[in-house]
Amino acid sequence: DQQVKQNSPSLSVQEGRISILNCDYTNSMFDYFLWYKKYPAEGPTFLISISSIKDKNEDGRFTVFLNKSAKHLSLHIVPSQPGDSAVYFCAASDWRGSTLGRLYFGRGTQLTVWP
Amino acid sequence: EADIYQTPRYLVIGTGKKITLECSQTMGHDKMYWYQQDPGMELHLIHYSYGVNSTEKGDLSSESTVSRIRTEHFPLTLESARPSHTSQYLCASSESFGVGTEAFFGQGTRLTVV
Repeated sequence: DQQVKQNSPSLSVQEGRISILNCDYTNSMFDYFLWYKKYPAEGPTFLISISSIKDKNEDGRFTVFLNKSAKHLSLHIVPSQPGDSAVYFCAASDWRGSTLGRLYFGRGTQLTVWP
Repeated sequence: EADIYQTPRYLVIGTGKKITLECSQTMGHDKMYWYQQDPGMELHLIHYSYGVNSTEKGDLSSESTVSRIRTEHFPLTLESARPSHTSQYLCASSESFGVGTEAFFGQGTRLTVV
């Protein structure tokens, strides 16, 4: 049973515009959320994270928003660049529970930024 | 930049062969993980370790085994490879304590069993 869901397998955005990637989760015990970026045949690289005590975290062009009541988070990329084209994975963890911080991943969203 | 390394990057091997995928990290992390990922799918946790001599199976049933004799080393072994084992295998590590630490991933091993 998937606890982290990314319902859009792909997203296509023009360079310079905003990219919005969405993620939903079902486990209310999750208290830390992360976004990873992955190129083909490479391992995921950490992009940005947010704790459940916040509703927004910003790092340069990347902003993550968390809506706990809706169990929803989103990643905004502004402005989008062709180099942002990759698969983006949403992940969540429960640091207070028995799983001690292991990550649960969504299926990823393929972002394509075209010139 | 993360200091976690996987070898080999790519491996094509015949059915029935024994293989070991290597994973090493130089960050001193106690926690290490093996994930399996197929295109368009989520990363599935197959093994994890909280420290030396600690290994646990993850959510996805796997015929592979792991060992953790040294903190920095977490190899994965398949005794008899089958075509169903074809996948990408990703090793990761993270710090032991505190909320808000991310896992660092190696570059992965793309395994093809023919």
